[in-house]
Amino acid sequence: EPEVTQTPSHQVTQMGQEVILRCVPISNHLYFYWYRQILGQKVEFLVSFYNNEISEKSEIFDDQFSVERPDGSNFTLKIRSTKLEDSAMYFCASSEVTQGAKNSPLHFGNGTRLTVT
Amino acid sequence: LAKTTQPISMDSYEGQEVNITCSHNNIATNDYITWYQQFPSQGPRFIIQGYKTKVTNEVASLFIPADRKSSTLSLPRVSLSDTAVYYCLVGSKAAGNKLTFGGGTRVLVKP
Repeated sequence: EPEVTQTPSHQVTQMGQEVILRCVPISNHLYFYWYRQILGQKVEFLVSFYNNEISEKSEIFDDQFSVERPDGSNFTLKIRSTKLEDSAMYFCASSEVTQGAKNSPLHFGNGTRLTVT
Repeated sequence: LAKTTQPISMDSYEGQEVNITCSHNNIATNDYITWYQQFPSQGPRFIIQGYKTKVTNEVASLFIPADRKSSTLSLPRVSLSDTAVYYCLVGSKAAGNKLTFGGGTRVLVKP
């Protein structure tokens, strides 16, 4: 079964540094998402992306965050200047059509654990 | 976006059936109900989706009453490996791509 893959599995960075989290969505999927989960808390929506542009974003997704689909396979999340509170698991997901529509579940990767020191 | 309410946690024993009910009183006409399972340090995994009545797959069943204000995920004969957090999500294309996870239900299956 096709999978969403994320790299790296664990990223440690210093406060103020830039990080790029990488994802390879399932190849025939058209919608891409980033979620995050702070340890012990719920999964939070960050951003959705379709047709090479952001379609929705949450209040968490401020100017420090950006997403890009640099080629036909990768989908990246960049945090320009990391803060301690950015430490979390970051999950990438993809779907065939808009989430919530029939037969279009989100397929999640296993995440990147970001630790900001 | 429809808000969902689920029990925070449930305990069960191996071989039992586990039923988790989710309330979504303000569900919209176009909304679908989707359940995900999450193991520690893994991404959520799709279990089942439905719109009304009953849906069954190889993993679970989903029961949705006529008013659609709630739904019940049924896990038959659970095993220890079913210990996870289960999330109920409600949304539709009309609501955009901002599907939100609630707190979920932490299910602990005991031997």
